[in-house]
Amino acid sequence: AQKVTQAQTEISVVEKEDVTLDCVYETRDTTYYLFWYKQPPSGELVFLIRRNSFDEQNEISGRYSWNFQKSTSSFNFTITASQVVDSAVYFCALSVNNAGNMLTFGGGTRLMVKP
Amino acid sequence: NAGVTQTPKFRVLKTGQSMTLLCAQDMNHEYMYWYRQDPGMGLRLIHYSVGEGTTAKGEVPDGYNVSRLKKQNFLLGLESAAPSQTSVYFCASSLWGGPDTQYFGPGTRLTVL
Repeated sequence: AQKVTQAQTEISVVEKEDVTLDCVYETRDTTYYLFWYKQPPSGELVFLIRRNSFDEQNEISGRYSWNFQKSTSSFNFTITASQVVDSAVYFCALSVNNAGNMLTFGGGTRLMVKP
Repeated sequence: NAGVTQTPKFRVLKTGQSMTLLCAQDMNHEYMYWYRQDPGMGLRLIHYSVGEGTTAKGEVPDGYNVSRLKKQNFLLGLESAAPSQTSVYFCASSLWGGPDTQYFGPGTRLTVL
């Protein structure tokens, strides 16, 4: 069975601070995919990134960066110079190559960025 | 191109009533999914479909039924609603499985009194 843990249920920062959201996963599969989704106050889920288990390169997209470490089963997400618009719930999710592409979600981290 | 749409956006039911949630996608995706979101628990998969005419159970299927008569539509039914089914329901679709990125609809907030 798969499991995703987001230990930080809520984080509050002041605008322009950097913030890292932690994600730890468990799976026995050697081939798997990790995702991050953003859920702003409006409620929809917005896809941010997908990373497969064979690609441990870190990725940067503007102010967003992701650090994937198989040795610690972690896929952490950092927002640099946070902005109020970054306020949202962020979900980490895991999928393995079976069971109909089911996503296993973490419980989410609520990020509040204060002006 | 609307992506994934869900109808209705909000609904209030009394215990024992039935209803159907409609999900539609215009991306010609093969796979479709229904999730529920409860506070502090992330999203959990209810049922999914790997193609027109197919359905399969997810993590929390009890109390729900689904149908995929057309490729673009995926219906979620509650035959006899219970307060425990109060939740936000999300539909998603992906081009393929294996695992392809899932794109989500805006959600339906359901309250069962």
